[in-house]
Amino acid sequence: DQQVKQNSPSLSVQEGRISILNCDYTNSMFDYFLWYKKYPAEGPTFLISISSIKDKNEDGRFTVFLNKSAKHLSLHIVPSQPGDSAVYFCAASAPLKTSYDKVIFGPGTSLSVIP
Amino acid sequence: GAVVSQHPSWVICKSGTSVKIECRSLDFQATTMFWYRQFPKQSLMLMATSNEGSKATYEQGVEKDKFLINHASLTLSTLTVTSAHPEDSSFYICSARGSMNTEAFFGQGTRLTVV
Repeated sequence: DQQVKQNSPSLSVQEGRISILNCDYTNSMFDYFLWYKKYPAEGPTFLISISSIKDKNEDGRFTVFLNKSAKHLSLHIVPSQPGDSAVYFCAASAPLKTSYDKVIFGPGTSLSVIP
Repeated sequence: GAVVSQHPSWVICKSGTSVKIECRSLDFQATTMFWYRQFPKQSLMLMATSNEGSKATYEQGVEKDKFLINHASLTLSTLTVTSAHPEDSSFYICSARGSMNTEAFFGQGTRLTVV
């Protein structure tokens, strides 16, 4: 049972345009969401996060939107750059010290930014 | 962000031997550490969650006797793959989270090849 879903395994975007990566989750206990970027044979790098009490968080070119009622979040990258080409993982976490205190990852979306 | 160091970055071992992978948080106290495994072109699969000073909580289907996890201090967790077999060959990644943080920071991963 996949609790964090990223239904697009890959995405190609022209340099300078907006990249939109989507993520859906099923467990209503999740209250904190994270996006990670990963290059092959390396550990994931934290990009941006959002708490369930917010619906938007922005950091430079990266913005994450959360629609709690739809259990959906998205990562927007504007403008997209070739260096953004990587696999992006959406992750979800439940409150600390609860029985579901863990970070669960989606399957990832491979983003290719075309120069 | 915080720094998590994982060692070794790659290891080749013979079938039947044991391999230990270390995960250290260098500039913060990691009350919780996570161990993941990634198969080629697949997502990060959570293997176990460990809290300092207590036994690790293993995910369903992960053999606790095969993948021994020790979280003896607030800066160090180890994963020992016992009696390794070729099917244990994979990319193993640790992550660490402090008591006040909800972001989890990742090590660079360990590529294990069992021959």
